Amino acid sequence: GAVVSQHPSWVICKSGTSVKIECRSLDFQATTMFWYRQFPKQSLMLMATSNEGSKATYEQGVEKDKFLINHASLTLSTLTVTSAHPEDSSFYICSATGLASYNEQFFGPGTRLTVL
Amino acid sequence: AQSVTQPDIHITVSEGASLELRCNYSYGATPYLFWYVQSPGQGLQLLLKYFSGDTLVQGIKGFEAEFKRSQSSFNLRKPSVHWSDAAEYFCAVGSSIGGSYIPTFGRGTSLIVHP
Repeated sequence: GAVVSQHPSWVICKSGTSVKIECRSLDFQATTMFWYRQFPKQSLMLMATSNEGSKATYEQGVEKDKFLINHASLTLSTLTVTSAHPEDSSFYICSATGLASYNEQFFGPGTRLTVL
Repeated sequence: AQSVTQPDIHITVSEGASLELRCNYSYGATPYLFWYVQSPGQGLQLLLKYFSGDTLVQGIKGFEAEFKRSQSSFNLRKPSVHWSDAAEYFCAVGSSIGGSYIPTFGRGTSLIVHP
């Protein structure tokens, strides 16, 4: 149990376009979802925390207008990178906690974004 | 604020040798503690976790970790390393504050295994 999926697993886009990444909890209700960004050979950087039906809480330094997060249901959160630029290229990972496991995150497999 | 320190950026061991990866945390109470492993280009896999109870925790792939409150440490160990253990290892702390879950990751330790 406690499986989190991400789609797509990788995406290549042109500079200036927007990209949407989906994060789904497959077998549990995710009350809270987290979005991380990871640069090569670095740790995970928490970008934002989202609770179902509420606006996301962004970490300091993360542009909320650039990284739009929607958590419209208990099983789906989306991250939209708007007007992507090469510096947005990174590995994006989502995680989720649920009512029965509020103190443990379950991670998705990650999405590799490359902006040309 | 909570924090996690992994003092070793790289660790190199020979296959078959024992391994210990260090992790120190800073938090006012007993946090939830985790070790994850990440292979290149992959997501995170949970190795083990500590919430309460027995301070020696067994995980997958032959890993174990010991919670030492007096040292604020949660070091990861394996008695005999396999070449397939080469990966990035992350220690993490989680806490619940005001009903919100706050996760914090260490910077990671890269494990290199020599044949």
